[in-house]
Amino acid sequence: AQSVAQPEDQVNVAEGNPLTVKCTYSVSGNPYLFWYVQYPNRGLQFLLKYITGDNLVKGSYGFEAEFNKSQTSFHLKKPSALVSDSALYFCAVRGSTSGNTPLVFGKGTRLSVIA
Amino acid sequence: GAVVSQHPSRVICKSGTSVKIECRSLDFQATTMFWYRQFPKQSLMLMATSNEGSKATYEQGVEKDKFLINHASLTLSTLTVTSAHPEDSSFYICSAGGPAVTEAFFGQGTRLTVV
Repeated sequence: AQSVAQPEDQVNVAEGNPLTVKCTYSVSGNPYLFWYVQYPNRGLQFLLKYITGDNLVKGSYGFEAEFNKSQTSFHLKKPSALVSDSALYFCAVRGSTSGNTPLVFGKGTRLSVIA
Repeated sequence: GAVVSQHPSRVICKSGTSVKIECRSLDFQATTMFWYRQFPKQSLMLMATSNEGSKATYEQGVEKDKFLINHASLTLSTLTVTSAHPEDSSFYICSAGGPAVTEAFFGQGTRLTVV
């Protein structure tokens, strides 16, 4: 079985400061990891993914994530937060590269960037 | 990324009536569609997985006779909430996938309110 843990319900950060949203996962076999962002009353927007290769993955809007196999983590990061980054962030895992299998989501972390 | 269009974005219906939600994959052939339900301040709960031309696979606890899913073509899947009750009020999100598509693409979501 696959699972994702996002230990923080809420993360507050000042504008211009670096941000980190934490994610750990559990999966048998190779993990395929994703981050999505959700704005109010909207669907999910894809930010980035880790399939294979470099552990540091760069995605949309200046976000990046680091895959750490030994710690089974895939934390989302951004060097300088913007107020517009305030949203709900979901980490997800899939035990297969096939798009025919569903993603398993964490509970989400609400990011609030304060001006 | 691929475009998935979900309609309507918002619907209010009377208790006992049925509501149909459409999910269209606009620029790729979605062999698989996933339907999720999201409660306030909670994560996405997978309701069912539908493969084009076959019956949907429902997750445990989801009533298949209440949440009818049809995936008749590679570009369209529908979710019909039958005999809706106020407890069915929620945010429903569809996601499209395929064997050659690593990440999932999401519709904008539908806010259903049953009065």
